[in-house]
Amino acid sequence: RKEVEQDPGPFNVPEGATVAFNCTYSNSASQSFFWYRQDCRKEPKLLMSVYSSGNEDGRFTAQLNRASQYISLLIRDSKLSDSATYLCVVPPGGYNKLIFGAGTRLAVHP
Amino acid sequence: DAGVIQSPRHEVTEMGQEVTLRCKPISGHDYLFWYRQTMMRGLELLIYFNNNVPIDDSGMPEDRFSAKMPNASFSTLKIQPSEPRDSAVYFCASREHGATNEKLFFGSGTQLSVL
Repeated sequence: RKEVEQDPGPFNVPEGATVAFNCTYSNSASQSFFWYRQDCRKEPKLLMSVYSSGNEDGRFTAQLNRASQYISLLIRDSKLSDSATYLCVVPPGGYNKLIFGAGTRLAVHP
Repeated sequence: DAGVIQSPRHEVTEMGQEVTLRCKPISGHDYLFWYRQTMMRGLELLIYFNNNVPIDDSGMPEDRFSAKMPNASFSTLKIQPSEPRDSAVYFCASREHGATNEKLFFGSGTQLSVL
């Protein structure tokens, strides 16, 4: 089993829709998790950190389920500008050895 | 701050040639990372430095790859000789020291094509 697994998508949704991505991880010792966003041909950028059960930032909500070893990212009221690849990141070896998932691609259309 | 600066943005070379990628981390950041991204394998950590010292190079694919950090503001990743399977986007990233400073700042990457 891969350390971090994500549905590659693509998720094609209309503007205004709510969309959710899941990410499963194998190392139960991981304490914190991250979602990075990567635009096409650009570098990844930190979107959200998840330390306990979840985190909310505007239209974005990240949730953590330790028992089932998955984290999710919910995007409400999708915008065209949300189109990107969302990378789930797990630090089983600490912040210096981040494991990046392959990413879930989101395409928001008018 | 200008962020993490990488050069060149694009590199096209022929198999067997030496390739050198360059990175300038954000001033004050103690950690520097080299990542490689491909469609097949995603983002992989190659090596990281702390205070200019290589800490973990277990991700370096083979002896053809080497990385140096001669000072706090400069690092290089060298591939010699290069092979077509080295074609990828190479990212440099840096972060501040501290247990809670988990945020990685990535450079714009170097798109390497080995023909």
